[in-house]
Amino acid sequence: TQLLEQSPQFLSIQEGENLTVYCNSSSVFSSLQWYRQEPGEGPVLLVTVVTGGEVKKLKRLTFQFGDARKDSSLHITAAQPGDTGLYLCAGEQTGANNLFFGTGTRLTVIP
Amino acid sequence: SAVISQKPSRDICQRGTSLTIQCQVDSQVTMMFWYRQQPGQSLTLIATANQGSEATYESGFVIDKFPISRPNLTFSTLTVSNMSPEDSSIYLCSVREGPQAQHFGDGTRLSIL
Repeated sequence: TQLLEQSPQFLSIQEGENLTVYCNSSSVFSSLQWYRQEPGEGPVLLVTVVTGGEVKKLKRLTFQFGDARKDSSLHITAAQPGDTGLYLCAGEQTGANNLFFGTGTRLTVIP
Repeated sequence: SAVISQKPSRDICQRGTSLTIQCQVDSQVTMMFWYRQQPGQSLTLIATANQGSEATYESGFVIDKFPISRPNLTFSTLTVSNMSPEDSSIYLCSVREGPQAQHFGDGTRLSIL
């Protein structure tokens, strides 16, 4: 089992604050995906990063893939209540067909 | 992206019974997967549903407990057999669309009494 540890596990912040979620592993991944899951729904793909050191921005969300492709981070600027949800990172390894999911970060943004 | 429909969306079942969950995709896909998400936790892969052959199960999951069918490239079923309260989870169907793009249905929320 390839372990992807996310931190923090829980995060509760006020609207307008910034936050960073981390996804760490001792294994190398060919790509890494970030998902957000809201109650009663399945995970929704936010972004895929594939190159070491890559940075992708999606409005107020910034995703970074580590240089060694073992870790990733998600930074949210000026969090909104609509950002509330479970954030999951998932790594893919070369030759494997399935994703290995991280332990998850549950974010609550308080209005 | 593909539209993935799961049925039922939720169910409450008696201990010892079985439930079959259906997953329908609006386009042909090669890779289909079944995941379990226990309350408050992340996703664990149960198996890869292979079209025309037996599913490939992950460690800790067996065919007798979670039989899977994949009759064509748009449809799959997962049966949860001889259910116990420990099987109370969300069961999610997922498809792979091209490289680095995997999408999920909304899941089936299963409670066993």
